[in-house]
Amino acid sequence: AQKITQTQPGMFVQEKEAVTLDCTYDTSDPSYGLFWYKQPSSGEMIFLIYQGSYDQQNATEGRYSLNFQKARKSANLVISASQLGDSAMYFCAMRESLYSGAGSYQLTFGKGTKLSVIP
Amino acid sequence: GAGVSQSPSNKVTEKGKDVELRCDPISGHTALYWYRQSLGQGLEFLIYFQGNSAPDKSGLPSDRFSAERTGGSVSTLTIQRTQQEDSAVYLCASSFRDSNQPQHFGDGTRLSIL
Repeated sequence: AQKITQTQPGMFVQEKEAVTLDCTYDTSDPSYGLFWYKQPSSGEMIFLIYQGSYDQQNATEGRYSLNFQKARKSANLVISASQLGDSAMYFCAMRESLYSGAGSYQLTFGKGTKLSVIP
Repeated sequence: GAGVSQSPSNKVTEKGKDVELRCDPISGHTALYWYRQSLGQGLEFLIYFQGNSAPDKSGLPSDRFSAERTGGSVSTLTIQRTQQEDSAVYLCASSFRDSNQPQHFGDGTRLSIL
């Protein structure tokens, strides 16, 4: 079974509108972290936002917020007021065994969602 | 401050040749990762270094792949006897050891095997 599932291969959004990118995850580990990265066509991976499994509040970072629903194992990224520069691939990733000291802290990535912002 | 630096940015080589890819992490980052990004497989973990500990090699796809990290800083990923399926973008990332710290990625090396 895939550990990270992003069901939307591609999304379109009108400039200045909000958009939600879906991410569901699968783990039996109680301590984990969820990360979102943006990859523009130029190729660099840019860290956007982080949510820990024990965090009480949903993470926010500027125009980015994370809709974390632990019981449903979902961690959707919400981008408010979309800009043309938001057009990119977006990857959801998970790190398990966050506080146990075990594991190598490697990230497991989803397949990504290609977001296109329309002027 | 400088980010993660990778070289070369592009590498084209013939099947069967050996290649070396270099990664210079962010100063002060003790953890270093190599990932591979290909169209069919997405982003895959290859290897992880943390300080002077033994590396986690669990993601290396075959014994043709190896990596080292000298002096806790620069890392080199070596692919011997390259095959066409090795064609991909190889990404290096570094981070602080703390579990909730994000990994910062370099721009990658695009490897093409002819």
